[in-house]
Amino acid sequence: DSGVTQTPKHLITATGQRVTLRCSPRSGDLSVYWYQQSLDQGLQFLIQYYNGEERAKGNILERFSAQQFPDLHSELNLSSLELGDSALYFCASSVGPRGGKTGELFFGEGSRLTVL
Amino acid sequence: DAKTTQPNSMESNEEEPVHLPCNHSTISGTDYIHWYRQLPSQGPEYVIHGLTSNVNNRMASLAIAEDRKSSTLILHRATLRDAAVYYCILRDVGNQFYFGTGTSLTVIP
Repeated sequence: DSGVTQTPKHLITATGQRVTLRCSPRSGDLSVYWYQQSLDQGLQFLIQYYNGEERAKGNILERFSAQQFPDLHSELNLSSLELGDSALYFCASSVGPRGGKTGELFFGEGSRLTVL
Repeated sequence: DAKTTQPNSMESNEEEPVHLPCNHSTISGTDYIHWYRQLPSQGPEYVIHGLTSNVNNRMASLAIAEDRKSSTLILHRATLRDAAVYYCILRDVGNQFYFGTGTSLTVIP
């Protein structure tokens, strides 16, 4: 158990809809990262937040947005969903903005999104 | 971001050592070499990391070539629980982790 909690574990929705994925980081971790894993793309970095502020952006679509709240949990919002958005979405956390002393990220078990 | 090259897949017999190679010929002087693994139906987990010297921990050993253009993750005795995708990642402090497609390790009983 990494200490990172993601909900929901599974989500099925239709094209054009909007969903919200939630992540609670490990106790004491200030950084939250979002990754997307699809079959043909591998793990893709989407975005990072540190203590409520956006820290870094990766390959995140404009239809996607995220935020980190004062209690440090984070939400990833996916809108106008397309079939190609079906994937596993992972959240990871670390102590500091740079991935901690050892550079270690702690990953949750992921949220599997299926868009029909 | 510097790239890494790993074999798509490898097989090992249970209880034998496994050497997972990674090539990173464009590595910079400040890039750390990280290894993560992803067990089936789970998120990635940290295995080990190093800069120049070989490193050992309870999970594995990391052997880094003298010119740092390649490295090898060593699992001393493979178990069925070690079947996973292993990712070799170069990362400069403060930068993001960019995962490639990794090496899928199959452990044969």
